[in-house]
Amino acid sequence: AQTVTQSQPEMSVQEAETVTLSCTYDTSESDYYLFWYKQPPSRQMILVIRQEAYKQQNATENRFSVNFQKAAKSFSLKISDSQLGDAAMYFCAYKKSSGDKLTFGTGTRLAVRP
Amino acid sequence: EPEVTQTPSHQVTQMGQEVILRCVPISNHLYFYWYRQILGQKVEFLVSFYNNEISEKSEIFDDQFSVERPDGSNFTLKIRSTKLEDSAMYFCASRHRTGGSFYGYTFGSGTRLTVV
Repeated sequence: AQTVTQSQPEMSVQEAETVTLSCTYDTSESDYYLFWYKQPPSRQMILVIRQEAYKQQNATENRFSVNFQKAAKSFSLKISDSQLGDAAMYFCAYKKSSGDKLTFGTGTRLAVRP
Repeated sequence: EPEVTQTPSHQVTQMGQEVILRCVPISNHLYFYWYRQILGQKVEFLVSFYNNEISEKSEIFDDQFSVERPDGSNFTLKIRSTKLEDSAMYFCASRHRTGGSFYGYTFGSGTRLTVV
C-alpha cells in the first residue's frame, strides 16, 4: 500500500523568508501524481501544486515550487517570500495513475511570524 | 470561480441516529468523492462515485455508509447509525473528466459532524 510521510508536524518561518516542507512517499508504481494541499483555518482543502511523476521538471506556481526526487521518493514544497496568508496546515498527497483515491500525509502546520 | 458547496457546515447528532451530509458538486463535474478528517489527524478517503455507482471505497466505508446522487445535482453521504467515532470533518470533492492527465479535485469547505 502507498504511504505518505510528513516528518515535520510544525514549521515556522519569518515573513518574506523561504521555507521548505518535507514529504516522502512509498510506492511500487512508476506513474503517479503528487500534490500539496493547503488547509487554512477555514478548513477548506486548497490545491497548491501538482507534479506528474513522469515529468522530470519540478512544478512551479508563483511563490510555490517543489523539489521532486523520484529515486529518493521525496517531494518537498518550497514557499518563497512567505506571507502571513500562507499560515495553514499543508498536506502532501499521492495518487497512482490509475484510480482516483488520494492518500494524504499527516500534515505540517506552518506558522508565519510577522 | 465554481465551488463545491456542502451543507450544513456543522451538524450535531445523537449516537445511533441517521445523518445525511449534502454536497452540490461543480455542475460539469462527473466524478465525486467523500473524504473525512478526524480532528488532528490526516484526511482519509472514503468513497469515489462515477456514473451513478461507487467506483472505489475504503475499508472505513462499511455498511453504515451509503452515497447517492438523487437528482443529478446533489451528492449525499448517509451514515445510518452514527457512532461517537464518526465525529469528524467530512469533505466532498468533485472533478471533471480530464483526458489523459489528472489535475486534482475541487474540495468543498466540509461539514463538521459531532456525534454526542
